[in-house]
Amino acid sequence: GENVEQHPSTLSVQEGDSAVIKCTYSDSASNYFPWYKQELGKGPQLIIDIRSNVGEKKDQRIAVTLNKTAKHFSLHITETQPEDSAVYFCAATQGGSEKLVFGKGMKLTVNP
Amino acid sequence: GAGVSQSPSNKVTEKGKDVELRCDPISGHTALYWYRQSLGQGLEFLIYFQGNSAPDKSGLPSDRFSAERTGGSVSTLTIQRTQQEDSAVYLCASSLKRRTDTQYFGPGTRLTVL
Repeated sequence: GENVEQHPSTLSVQEGDSAVIKCTYSDSASNYFPWYKQELGKGPQLIIDIRSNVGEKKDQRIAVTLNKTAKHFSLHITETQPEDSAVYFCAATQGGSEKLVFGKGMKLTVNP
Repeated sequence: GAGVSQSPSNKVTEKGKDVELRCDPISGHTALYWYRQSLGQGLEFLIYFQGNSAPDKSGLPSDRFSAERTGGSVSTLTIQRTQQEDSAVYLCASSLKRRTDTQYFGPGTRLTVL
């Protein structure tokens, strides 16, 4: 089955800096890669996703890149703000079933 | 519009008791999912519904766990004879149709088994 590894597990940055979260996956048939943000006491919320026919996608301060050959994808947040502080999860579909398999999450702290 | 709702938000129970967790998905969403999130861990898939059917139950950890969905809407996750290791946040999500459509999560039910 699919295995999704996410690193680092925690990251602390100063406001205005950039943050990068990296994920690797094992199933070469994976074709959908969403990123979720979870604030304390809330359910995860989709912030951006990418499909296997696209190498990069941007939405304002957030971008995601996908390298299918290397089986890794990354989330880039520029000009970080304190409200970006949260836990971020990557996920990838398991080929065939399209079940989402999640990484263990990364806690981002943006210091004012 | 209304999002995914779950009840109760918190549940404390004693070991050996049965519990029922409820999920109300977004209206019109045919796909519904249950996940479990243990402290500091990622989201562990439990079960997937398409309409009232569950084509993927592969994540249910034991036969103490069961779920049903009625009327293509509300779902209930039941845990029988709860154990302390069942303590976690149980999250429900729904999507329009496919598993690769955006999954919208509810706020979760925090279950504590004493």
